[in-house]
Amino acid sequence: QVQLVQSGAEVKKPGASVKVSCKASGYTFTSYDINWVRQATGQGLEWMGWMNPNSGNTGYAQKFQGRVTMTRNTSISTAYMELSSLRSEDTAVYYCARDPQRMGYFDYWGQGTLVTVSS
Amino acid sequence: DIQMTQSPSSVSASVGDRVTITCRASQGISSWLAWYQQKPGKAPKLLIYAASSLQSGVPSRFSGSGSGTDFTLTISSLQPEDFATYYCQQANSFPPFTFGPGTKVDIK
Repeated sequence: QVQLVQSGAEVKKPGASVKVSCKASGYTFTSYDINWVRQATGQGLEWMGWMNPNSGNTGYAQKFQGRVTMTRNTSISTAYMELSSLRSEDTAVYYCARDPQRMGYFDYWGQGTLVTVSS
Repeated sequence: DIQMTQSPSSVSASVGDRVTITCRASQGISSWLAWYQQKPGKAPKLLIYAASSLQSGVPSRFSGSGSGTDFTLTISSLQPEDFATYYCQQANSFPPFTFGPGTKVDIK
């Protein structure tokens, strides 16, 4: 069955970087785009960007341009999202999600990774 | 960016009730709209895509309609497991994809 399993919770200081992983199984990793969405506590969903695991092509929300980098390692079917220059407002649960038809709909999601930014 | 709004922000309902949630886009998005259900501490779950297509495995009591700027999610007979927060999301124009603020369905 399709699964996206994310890395564990992180605590970072302001100004640091965090790298979250998302390991895919149960399907061909390179066939479906991976998107990243975050959610601050008690808040709504915010789309951050996408990556084509086959080509490595990416697209980011303007809000995160220059601070976010999405990469992958196809040999281990894993996608990564790195966010730099962290500030307290980046404290959130970060999700990876699969786009099955490259149409912007997300059918499978990781379990989420809590990133806490605190001095 | 396309802005998404939802109404109501919360609704109290009983098991068996018909529940309707509305989503509006700040500009036309054709039928490029999805609905998700999220329960506390869990990832969102895709219910509806392309405005009215039911995702595999989702009960038929969920339905979606609309096009252009106005969309509706209907739960025909609310079940105990349906108490959750529902989000709409536009997929017409990106970056960025954008989500509505959510509608919380709780027990009356």
